[in-house]
Amino acid sequence: DAGVIQSPRHEVTEMGQEVTLRCKPISGHNSLFWYRQTMMRGLELLIYFNNNVPIDDSGMPEDRFSAKMPNASFSTLKIQPSEPRDSAVYFCASRATHTGELFFGEGSRLTVL
Amino acid sequence: QQPVQSPQAVILREGEDAVINCSSSKALYSVHWYRQKHGEAPVFLMILLKGGEQKGHEKISASFNEKKQQSSLYLTASQLSYSGTYFCGTEGVSAGGTSYGKLTFGQGTILTVHP
Repeated sequence: DAGVIQSPRHEVTEMGQEVTLRCKPISGHNSLFWYRQTMMRGLELLIYFNNNVPIDDSGMPEDRFSAKMPNASFSTLKIQPSEPRDSAVYFCASRATHTGELFFGEGSRLTVL
Repeated sequence: QQPVQSPQAVILREGEDAVINCSSSKALYSVHWYRQKHGEAPVFLMILLKGGEQKGHEKISASFNEKKQQSSLYLTASQLSYSGTYFCGTEGVSAGGTSYGKLTFGQGTILTVHP
């Protein structure tokens, strides 16, 4: 299996622009997590899905952030409008159903100028 | 709520041992341990489930004290390759004894191993 695939790997944008991050989980995994990593806050859980349904989005910072999972093989995290404080590495991870292990994608490094 | 890890940083020489602690203020279903190298994604080390258990992975092992809501990661005879940031992740348990499914991570412990 190719593992969890995220795109883009790097994104540089200007304040106010819309940003869409994409994630393809490992086939057969029924849970998907979005995390944000910064030096100050560490690994923050933003939202997670079970069987494509959002279960807990209490970590989403504000209404500017939204996430969707239209099917079992694709999820997006959207920031609109983006702000410099959104600069971080965003990780998507899918969870193996039987072992509970999280598999992380390589991350999307976002820089908002 | 995030688990709390200690210490924040550890510096070792090759061959020395280290212990990293993780504690939670809530009842736990499971504890996960991950290691992250600089510029890379976190990588799974092990998971411990409620009921209290201990696991080993070569010279890296961990324990989980369900009653104290604490876990410890033990690194023995450390190697240069052990350097990185170690994260514990915790999953809460519902009144029915099942997992909430929500996995939150501590702030991480930076481990540096010198020759």
